[in-house]
Amino acid sequence: SAVISQKPSRDICQRGTSLTIQCQVDSQVTMMFWYRQQPGQSLTLIATANQGSEATYESGFVIDKFPISRPNLTFSTLTVSNMSPEDSSIYLCSAGKRAGGTDTQYFGPGTRLTVL
Amino acid sequence: SQQGEEDPQALSIQEGENATMNCSYKTSINNLQWYRQNSGRGLVHLILIRSNEREKHSGRLRVTLDTSKKSSSLLITASRAADTASYFCATAVIGGYQKVTFGTGTKLQVIP
Repeated sequence: SAVISQKPSRDICQRGTSLTIQCQVDSQVTMMFWYRQQPGQSLTLIATANQGSEATYESGFVIDKFPISRPNLTFSTLTVSNMSPEDSSIYLCSAGKRAGGTDTQYFGPGTRLTVL
Repeated sequence: SQQGEEDPQALSIQEGENATMNCSYKTSINNLQWYRQNSGRGLVHLILIRSNEREKHSGRLRVTLDTSKKSSSLLITASRAADTASYFCATAVIGGYQKVTFGTGTKLQVIP
């Protein structure tokens, strides 16, 4: 398995500011992902964090709003830029690790963001 | 749009009863995973079933997969109050490079 930690666990931010969320995995993983979970909703994939290259964004998400870095195989950051109250969500990092031919995904505890 | 649709959206049962949740999806998959989420916290991985498997067990959990019907079910036997949580299915499509898409989720309440 993989143990994933995220920092911060929660934050309250002002409109127009930016927040960077860190994700650390305890072992090398092939894939890392960032998800958003709006209140009472399911998870929506924001992007795939690629090691050493630009992230791959899903429809509806853009790099200017959610810049992502992945400098190595165990660490990634997601920045939520120029925040508005609509960005209030839980942001979750996940990592895919192949074990025995399967592609189990593990999730971090999430970062609960409130934008005022 | 979401790959998976789950039903029921909410389920309330008495402790000791069995709980069954269903997940339907739209495209061919590589595998399907079930997760539990307690009250807005992180997701806990429960079980992964591959497309060539039909049934899998883990403790009190039983997962079935019917690729012809593009559906899966999660059965929790002898439920406990601690099983109260939201349950999500997530599908990985073939060639999706481990990317998974989540269903809408079932909110389970187990009454002591």
